[in-house]
Amino acid sequence: DGGITQSPKYLFRKEGQNVTLSCEQNLNHDAMYWYRQDPGQGLRLIYYSQIVNDFQKGDIAEGYSVSREKKESFPLTVTSAQKNPTAFYLCASSTKGVPDTQYFGPGTRLTVL
Amino acid sequence: GQQVMQIPQYQHVQEGEDFTTYCNSSTTLSNIQWYKQRPGGHPVFLIQLVKSGEVKKQKRLTFQFGEAKKNSSLHITATQTTDVGTYFCAKGGSEKLVFGKGTKLTVNP
Repeated sequence: DGGITQSPKYLFRKEGQNVTLSCEQNLNHDAMYWYRQDPGQGLRLIYYSQIVNDFQKGDIAEGYSVSREKKESFPLTVTSAQKNPTAFYLCASSTKGVPDTQYFGPGTRLTVL
Repeated sequence: GQQVMQIPQYQHVQEGEDFTTYCNSSTTLSNIQWYKQRPGGHPVFLIQLVKSGEVKKQKRLTFQFGEAKKNSSLHITATQTTDVGTYFCAKGGSEKLVFGKGTKLTVNP
């Protein structure tokens, strides 16, 4: 089965801890994206990557970090510097950045206690 | 900025009624995409519009792209309970999509 996987589906962390969210795709897509979704806010872009070993900040990158060491993987770290990390995080991929259809993973709901 | 404005934010209808959501931009759009997110789910691509004045249909869903390529609409005829969810438009034309805030549709059976 081809697709995007995110794990875990639900994640709980204590305030002050860094946490890494997993995103893996086997669609052979070049571009990958991380979004944050809050109620009534739509989808806000955190980081995106169009090629291995390269990535760009999105609209709300502060307090987050990413890496793109492999084409199929784009993990997101939510650091303790992120002031309000509780949210639904969505990973997506596309064949190319401009302006192709994006395929989304099932999401990870992060709750920081 | 690069925003796309989507209205209304919420829409509640009786089953069988029609529904329309609108997406507006202050700048000309290269293309517009529409996504649907079911409650508790993730966004799923519905369609992409590229040409001025383009109209595309998917069963009860009709998508339009304005003549000036600054607005788009999604119309659902005779809504069903399976239509519930949030509908997002997204503007393309660069290396990333810019999503509207979405219209949340609820349907009363």
